[in-house]
Amino acid sequence: EPEVTQTPSHQVTQMGQEVILRCVPISNHLYFYWYRQILGQKVEFLVSFYNNEISEKSEIFDDQFSVERPDGSNFTLKIRSTKLEDSAMYFCASRNRGGTGDNEQFFGPGTRLTVL
Amino acid sequence: AQTVTQSQPEMSVQEAETVTLSCTYDTSENNYYLFWYKQPPSRQMILVIRQEAYKQQNATENRFSVNFQKAAKSFSLKISDSQLGDTAMYFCAFMKPYSGNTPLVFGKGTRLSVIA
Repeated sequence: EPEVTQTPSHQVTQMGQEVILRCVPISNHLYFYWYRQILGQKVEFLVSFYNNEISEKSEIFDDQFSVERPDGSNFTLKIRSTKLEDSAMYFCASRNRGGTGDNEQFFGPGTRLTVL
Repeated sequence: AQTVTQSQPEMSVQEAETVTLSCTYDTSENNYYLFWYKQPPSRQMILVIRQEAYKQQNATENRFSVNFQKAAKSFSLKISDSQLGDTAMYFCAFMKPYSGNTPLVFGKGTRLSVIA
């Protein structure tokens, strides 16, 4: 069964460093998302992406964040200069073409980011 | 803005018993989608069940069913014949009417423990 994959599973970085989190969505999906979950808290939406551009973003997704789909398969989230409060689990999700019966977002296993 | 509230941070149930997890939400939309996601210790988010607001019939998926009360903006999850593998965090989620890239809005989650 197709699944969303994410690498790495765990990333440790120093404050101020740049990190890139990678996701491979399900191959025929068109809509892509990043969410984050700070330990013990709820899952929060960061950004959605469609047709090679950002569709919607939350207040969390400031200028330190960027997303890219560089090669038609990978979907990356870059944090330019990490802060301690960026430590969280980051989930990638993808969704098919959409429609009233096709609204499930499939999630990857997540990348745990630890900023020291 | 939409909000999702899960008022039970933790619950436990004996194996083979039935448990109900509560969820309420706030929205001014008339048509929308509601979901329950399961997050086991592996951290992977898995869709359990979904409900379209325009459908009056409550959704069921094997041992999982919902009680959708649109007027009360309530969306509870009932797990029958609980199994040890049901131990997980359960998140209720809301999605606005389809626009292709609509993000999910999650509640804070309920940690369910199934006890042998």
